[in-house]
Amino acid sequence: GAGVSQSPSNKVTEKGKDVELRCDPISGHTALYWYRQSLGQGLEFLIYFQGNSAPDKSGLPSDRFSAERTGGSVSTLTIQRTQQEDSAVYLCASSFSSSGLAAHGEQFFGPGTRLTVL
Amino acid sequence: GENVEQHPSTLSVQEGDSAVIKCTYSDSASNYFPWYKQELGKGPQLIIDIRSNVGEKKDQRIAVTLNKTAKHFSLHITETQPEDSAVYFCAATQGGAQKLVFGQGTRLTINP
Repeated sequence: GAGVSQSPSNKVTEKGKDVELRCDPISGHTALYWYRQSLGQGLEFLIYFQGNSAPDKSGLPSDRFSAERTGGSVSTLTIQRTQQEDSAVYLCASSFSSSGLAAHGEQFFGPGTRLTVL
Repeated sequence: GENVEQHPSTLSVQEGDSAVIKCTYSDSASNYFPWYKQELGKGPQLIIDIRSNVGEKKDQRIAVTLNKTAKHFSLHITETQPEDSAVYFCAATQGGAQKLVFGQGTRLTINP
């Protein structure tokens, strides 16, 4: 079946503009995650959605960043008034999570969106 | 919160030799430790994981060991091949939560 897809694959924008990044998770996956990966760096957690629960927004770096997940499926990450330091690859992942020690299902990652802010 | 340290940042080995990457974590409540492989231009892909009730897990040429007392875990790749060249990331859960905290990555190069 299809994996996690993200669009666009590349986005170049001017400083101060708003951008929207889209993630289509694997069908049936209950959890969805957004990460940011700066050049040559590890993955920085941004936000996590689990079913109908309130999202864990603890990783969002500023109030310019927001995300929503509609209908428990597709998610959009929005960055308002982009800054040059927002330039990075934004990765989305999804997983099927249950409960207990087996709760941590494998996170399947999309190919990412490379954002460049000029 | 959880802090994950990964070493080395770069590793170069001859084809056929073994490679070892080590990670330490800070949160004693962490209970899930995956390893991801990332090839150029692609998203990370899970290669092996271990849960806190197990000390070692093996899958063909890849093995992971976990020492909960010392709060460290390691990835071992034996009989390395050129296609093993990639960036490898370790991760640990923040406590018992779903959120993963990643190490900084190790760029592994296999020399033919």
